Amino acid sequence: DVKVTQSSRYLVKRTGEKVFLECVQDMDHENMFWYRQDPGLGLRLIYFSYDVKMKEKGDIPEGYSVSREKKERFSLILESASTNQTSMYLCASKRQGGTEAFFGQGTRLTVV
Amino acid sequence: GQQVMQIPQYQHVQEGEDFTTYCNSSTTLSNIQWYKQRPGGHPVFLIQLVKSGEVKKQKRLTFQFGEAKKNSSLHITATQTTDVGTYFCAGDSGYSTLTFGKGTMLLVSP
Repeated sequence: DVKVTQSSRYLVKRTGEKVFLECVQDMDHENMFWYRQDPGLGLRLIYFSYDVKMKEKGDIPEGYSVSREKKERFSLILESASTNQTSMYLCASKRQGGTEAFFGQGTRLTVV
Repeated sequence: GQQVMQIPQYQHVQEGEDFTTYCNSSTTLSNIQWYKQRPGGHPVFLIQLVKSGEVKKQKRLTFQFGEAKKNSSLHITATQTTDVGTYFCAGDSGYSTLTFGKGTMLLVSP
């Protein structure tokens, strides 16, 4: 069974803090993704990675960066958190050429 | 960039009624996927459609992919309370990234 694990279920951070959201998958998938989910806006792609040390911008990369030093781990970084980054963050992984994306349980981030 | 529109945004039905959600893409898709997210949960893959005009069934769920590969639908026959959740379509333009629609939230009253 594929497992995608996000480091925190709930997180509260202060404005201006540097925030790290961690995601680990255990199925040797090449592709990993970070989405944010907001009511009425669905899932929007922030960044994705198709290999170690490779990263591509998604639809809403502003204010975020990512790191993929190991194949199984994909980190989302908020360099200076702002209140408009309060959201649910979902990590997903997918085998290259595969069908379905597997999602983590999500991290609900609140920036105060 | 690619856009995927999904309607309706929300639907409330009585148990036993049918439900349909529709998905339209601004570009031709190599395939389309459907996911279900239960309240408080994360999206879970339901199905992928690849061929033009394809129709697939999973028990009471029927999925269709349009002839032009730009639209899709999910129909649930005789809804049950276990069908509650948000249904997302996701288009794959062929570069391994999925563009999600905004989802249709389904509420089923017993």
